[in-house]
Amino acid sequence: AQSVTQLDSQVPVFEEAPVELRCNYSSSVSVYLFWYVQYPNQGLQLLLKYLSGSTLVKGINGFEAEFNKSQTSFHLRKPSVHISDTAEYFCAVSEFPGTSNTGKLIFGQGTTLQVKP
Amino acid sequence: GAGVSQSPSNKVTEKGKDVELRCDPISGHTALYWYRQSLGQGLEFLIYFQGNSAPDKSGLPSDRFSAERTGGSVSTLTIQRTQQEDSAVYLCASSLGGRLQETQYFGPGTRLLVL
Repeated sequence: AQSVTQLDSQVPVFEEAPVELRCNYSSSVSVYLFWYVQYPNQGLQLLLKYLSGSTLVKGINGFEAEFNKSQTSFHLRKPSVHISDTAEYFCAVSEFPGTSNTGKLIFGQGTTLQVKP
Repeated sequence: GAGVSQSPSNKVTEKGKDVELRCDPISGHTALYWYRQSLGQGLEFLIYFQGNSAPDKSGLPSDRFSAERTGGSVSTLTIQRTQQEDSAVYLCASSLGGRLQETQYFGPGTRLLVL
């Protein structure tokens, strides 16, 4: 069965500093990988996704992530964070070929990014 | 175009009562998902609709939970005889066709509190 592990529940960082949010997954088959962001009192919004091709994926708001198949990781990075990046970040996978191929997402536990002035 | 909407935004109920949560997906999206976000369990998949059919109900935690979708659009998640452990934020998402690689668009959620 697939699972997603986000290694840090909270990441405090100062404004304009770089940040990396870690995500590892386990699956016996191929996966698509996603990062979603949830701002306070809002729904989840897609930041970026890896489907195939280049392992470095660029998303919105200056975020990028790198897929590493050998390490089964999909870490999210931003070279310089802003106060407005304060939010909860979720890594997720969908598995193929899956038992149902329904596109359901399996989420990690989430990482709270706290950007301090 | 409007995004995914959910109602009510907040619901407080007493243990043992039934509740209905509503989701309005993005127009034209055939796939609709329900997820639950709770402190202890994180974000969990509940059920998937393709059109009005639910080919994957594997995440529904008990037979107290049911969902339906009508007209290939609006969906209702019903929880019967609510328990305190049902307290959570219930999120609805839709995607264009339900393929694995598609982006799911999430609503703001319904925050359910069972007293």
